[in-house]
Amino acid sequence: DAMVIQNPRYQVTQFGKPVTLSCSQTLNHNVMYWYQQKSSQAPKLLFHYYDKDFNNEADTPDNFQSRRPNTSFCFLDIRSPGLGDAAMYLCATSRGGGGLRAEAFFGQGTRLTVV
Amino acid sequence: DQQVKQNSPSLSVQEGRISILNCDYTNSMFDYFLWYKKYPAEGPTFLISISSIKDKNEDGRFTVFLNKSAKHLSLHIVPSQPGDSAVYFCAVSNYGGSQGNLIFGKGTKLSVKP
Repeated sequence: DAMVIQNPRYQVTQFGKPVTLSCSQTLNHNVMYWYQQKSSQAPKLLFHYYDKDFNNEADTPDNFQSRRPNTSFCFLDIRSPGLGDAAMYLCATSRGGGGLRAEAFFGQGTRLTVV
Repeated sequence: DQQVKQNSPSLSVQEGRISILNCDYTNSMFDYFLWYKKYPAEGPTFLISISSIKDKNEDGRFTVFLNKSAKHLSLHIVPSQPGDSAVYFCAVSNYGGSQGNLIFGKGTKLSVKP
C-alpha cells in the first residue's frame, strides 16, 4: 500500500494561474518535505515541516508556499507559476532526526507543466 | 556549489558484472549517507544507507563503502541485473541539529544490458 501519496500525478496549469499540489502520508511521520526536481538535476529541497514548524530554504522563491493542516497532509501552493517552475515535485516524509531517522520516504511525484 | 557530487551522469554494464557508482561530498560533518533508486515517472525509493561510524554496509547484492578521509562513498551492485537499470541518487543527511534534511547528488543513470 502506498504510504506517501501525491495528487495529481500530472498537473497542467496556465502561466500565472495559482496551483496547489497535495501530499498525504499514512506513516505518521513528523517531517514532511517538498522537493523540486528538474531534468538531470538533483532534487532540491524547497521547505519542510517538522510537526507544525515550518522551515523554508533560503533560496526558495516567495512564489512557493506550503501548508500542513494536520500530520497527514501537506500542500504546495505556487501562487503565480512561471515557465521555469515546470518540474517534478516530490513530497517526502521522515521520522526526523539523525541516522536512520533521516531516511525519507517519497511519493510518486507530481509532474507540473506550465503552459 | 554542490555539496554532493556524482560525477558520472551515466554508467553502462553487462548483466552479471559489477556496477560501481561513486559519490563525493564536501562537508566532513555529514554523518549519514543514503542511496536511492529512481525509475522513470516514480519517486525515489530508499536502497541502502551507512552511518559515518562504519566503512561498509551490505544488503544482498548491494554494498555501500564509505571513505571518510576522502569524503567518498560508493555503491557496488553484484551481480548486476537488467532490473537494476534506473537512476541512482546519493544523499547525505545534513543532521547537524536540524531535522535530518537530505541533500542529493544529481544522480547516475545505470543501464544493465542483458
